Amino acid sequence: EAQVTQNPRYLITVTGKKLTVTCSQNMNHEYMSWYRQDPGLGLRQIYYSMNVEVTDKGDVPEGYKVSRKEKRNFPLILESPSPNQTSLYFCASSLTLGHYNEQFFGPGTRLTVL
Amino acid sequence: AQSVTQLDSQVPVFEEAPVELRCNYSSSVSVYLFWYVQYPNQGLQLLLKYLSGSTLVKGINGFEAEFNKSQTSFHLRKPSVHISDTAEYFCAVRGGYNKLIFGAGTRLAVHP
Repeated sequence: EAQVTQNPRYLITVTGKKLTVTCSQNMNHEYMSWYRQDPGLGLRQIYYSMNVEVTDKGDVPEGYKVSRKEKRNFPLILESPSPNQTSLYFCASSLTLGHYNEQFFGPGTRLTVL
Repeated sequence: AQSVTQLDSQVPVFEEAPVELRCNYSSSVSVYLFWYVQYPNQGLQLLLKYLSGSTLVKGINGFEAEFNKSQTSFHLRKPSVHISDTAEYFCAVRGGYNKLIFGAGTRLAVHP
């Protein structure tokens, strides 16, 4: 089944403890991105990647890192999480940058930073 | 800069009634518009999209939307809703480098 998977689905952590949220897609998509969803703000893009080893900042990149060493994986790294990073995170992927390519979303990771 | 405004944060409606969820956009370039649905505890699912051509776009689950360039709107409609349509709906416009710019969302609550 074609899908985007994220792990973990739920995570409670403490301020300053490094964590990684994994994202994997099995559709051979070139483009992947991360969004965070906050009440009243919708989804905002954190980082995106156009292909392996090509990443760039989205609208809210502060406090996050990403890497794209393999085409299928695009982990989101929080080196020193803070409470304002408590949010619902979504990974998305599409075949290429083309506007006609649908973006597929993962199931989400709900992160709480205490 | 591109932006999306969803005019209603919550829309309550009775089952089998029609519903319209309103979306206005701002864009100075070619416009590609989307509606996504998020069911409780799930990811986002594409309902429909406008890329070009006919301004009336039909999507899944009986939803449709009309692209109105003069009013910069892309309202979502369904003639008869079901309890199962209860969800949060997001309007989005495509930005640079395939970024989706989302509205704040509209919670549709369908009551029996």
